[in-house]
Amino acid sequence: GENVEQHPSTLSVQEGDSAVIKCTYSDSASNYFPWYKQELGKRPQLIIDIRSNVGEKKDQRIAVTLNKTAKHFSLHITETQPEDSAVYFCAAVNTGNQFYFGTGTSLTVIP
Amino acid sequence: KAGVTQTPRYLIKTRGQQVTLSCSPISGHRSVSWYQQTPGQGLQFLFEYFSETQRNKGNFPGRFSGRQFSNSRSEMNVSTLELGDSALYLCASSLELAGIDTQYFGPGTRLTVL
Repeated sequence: GENVEQHPSTLSVQEGDSAVIKCTYSDSASNYFPWYKQELGKRPQLIIDIRSNVGEKKDQRIAVTLNKTAKHFSLHITETQPEDSAVYFCAAVNTGNQFYFGTGTSLTVIP
Repeated sequence: KAGVTQTPRYLIKTRGQQVTLSCSPISGHRSVSWYQQTPGQGLQFLFEYFSETQRNKGNFPGRFSGRQFSNSRSEMNVSTLELGDSALYLCASSLELAGIDTQYFGPGTRLTVL
């Protein structure tokens, strides 16, 4: 089955700096890669996603890049703000619509 | 549209008991997945139901089971509870009109086993 690895597990950045979270996957059949943000005590919420026919997608301060050959994808947050502090999960989804999640990255933005 | 809802939100049980959790998906969504979330373990996939049929299953023991009703509402059951079953149980629903679709999560049920 699919194996998704996510790094780093914790990340601290100064407000205004950029944050990058990286994920690798093993199954070449995976073709959808969503990212979720989970604030403390709340449900995971989709923040951005990318499909395998696209290399990069951007939405304001967040962007996701995908390298299908190397089987890795990354989340980029620019100009970080304290409200970006949360746990972020990546996922790889195969054609059977099965979601495989990474173990999460706890991001802390220091004011 | 109302989001995914889960009941109850909190539950305290003792070892050996059984528990049933409920999930109501977003209206029109046909797929419901269940996950177990524990600190440091991320989101562990339990199973997925689509049109009342279990379509995918994770690596959990047979004590964990589920079902889906004709209105797409889903329940999961855990029998003979163990201390290690204490976790946040999340369900997620997706539309799947054609192909892969995003999953939307419920608020979760926090289960504590004493």
